[in-house]
Amino acid sequence: DAGVIQSPRHEVTEMGQEVTLRCKPISGHNSLFWYRQTMMRGLELLIYFNNNVPIDDSGMPEDRFSAKMPNASFSTLKIQPSEPRDSAVYFCANTLAGGDYNEQFFGPGTRLTVL
Amino acid sequence: AQSVTQPDIHITVSEGASLELRCNYSYGATPYLFWYVQSPGQGLQLLLKYFSGDTLVQGIKGFEAEFKRSQSSFNLRKPSVHWSDAAEYFCAVGALGNKLVFGAGTILRVKS
Repeated sequence: DAGVIQSPRHEVTEMGQEVTLRCKPISGHNSLFWYRQTMMRGLELLIYFNNNVPIDDSGMPEDRFSAKMPNASFSTLKIQPSEPRDSAVYFCANTLAGGDYNEQFFGPGTRLTVL
Repeated sequence: AQSVTQPDIHITVSEGASLELRCNYSYGATPYLFWYVQSPGQGLQLLLKYFSGDTLVQGIKGFEAEFKRSQSSFNLRKPSVHWSDAAEYFCAVGALGNKLVFGAGTILRVKS
């Protein structure tokens, strides 16, 4: 397994543009998490899915952010419209069905810069 | 609610010296505890984990951690630090729904 795959690895966009971040989870996962990491706020949980169903989106900062998981192999995090304060590294992470409790496998992250 | 405190934001050690990174957690039951490492520009990688049993757990890259229930601590140790260990280290505790609650992280700098 190639591990958690995120794309793009880097994204530079202008304020007001739509941004879509993508995550391909590990095969056999059961939970998927989206995190945001900044110097000021550290690592923040935005939303997570269990078996493709959104469970807790209380960490999503505002309505400009949305996340979907249309199937077990793919998830997206969308920001529309983007703002400079959204600049951060966004991580996708998974737990494995039948794996050790709570152990999460992280992707390499997408570094987003909004100008 | 679960919480994790890493009291040291930055730590600097000399190469070859021993290392201890502190982690204190708050959790009502027996916790699931983790240490992750993040190298610059990389994602988080699991170093080690504790679920039950032996309170001294061994991880990758020569790291170990000791669970002390009486102190609510799960400190990370390494007997001899290498320059490649310079990174940010995160302690985490498991929460409901497969979630992890992370500490704020400790940045380790290694002096040559």
